[in-house]
Amino acid sequence: QQQVKQSPQSLIVQKGGISIINCAYENTAFDYFPWYQQFPGKGPALLIAIRPDVSEKKEGRFTISFNKSAKQFSLHIMDSQPGDSATYFCAATADYKLSFGAGTTVTVRA
Amino acid sequence: DTAVSQTPKYLVTQMGNDKSIKCEQNLGHDTMYWYKQDSKKFLKIMFSYNNKELIINETVPNRFSPKSPDKAHLNLHINSLELGDSAVYFCASSHGAHFAARYGYTFGSGTRLTVV
Repeated sequence: QQQVKQSPQSLIVQKGGISIINCAYENTAFDYFPWYQQFPGKGPALLIAIRPDVSEKKEGRFTISFNKSAKQFSLHIMDSQPGDSATYFCAATADYKLSFGAGTTVTVRA
Repeated sequence: DTAVSQTPKYLVTQMGNDKSIKCEQNLGHDTMYWYKQDSKKFLKIMFSYNNKELIINETVPNRFSPKSPDKAHLNLHINSLELGDSAVYFCASSHGAHFAARYGYTFGSGTRLTVV
């Protein structure tokens, strides 16, 4: 049973465009919401994370928007670059567990 | 290099065999995990150890048995391998279960297990 629902499954964006990935959850016990980036043949790596009492967090070209009442959060990748092509996972933590969304494969076309 | 290292990187074996995957971290973390990534890239936690104590044991067949000889090592032994066990297995570590969310997990590069 997937506790974090992620969409879309894949997206293609032109270089310089904006990539948007959405996630939703039901478990109100979740207390932290990280995003992981995974390149082919590698393990996931922490990209950016947000607490539920913060509505937005920005690190460079990556921004998380968080809507606690709607139980939704999203990742925006601004000025997308070919090097951003990877699979992105939203996640949520509760009771020592990190639960992942299904992943979004982002392809940035030059 | 500071990292989470897994061996082997690739493992091809026949059904019914028993195999082990080893994991070591030199980051000074006290919590280690095993995750399974299926063919659709879905990541699911299997086990977690904190200071050599098992703290997460998800619904995983008994054929899977983790062992943590010390804080820096977490191995995964699989008995009687089945076709459905084919997946990429990731080891990860973190600074304590409570800080894992804030500081993130460090994942190894994975072990691709293929059962034929």
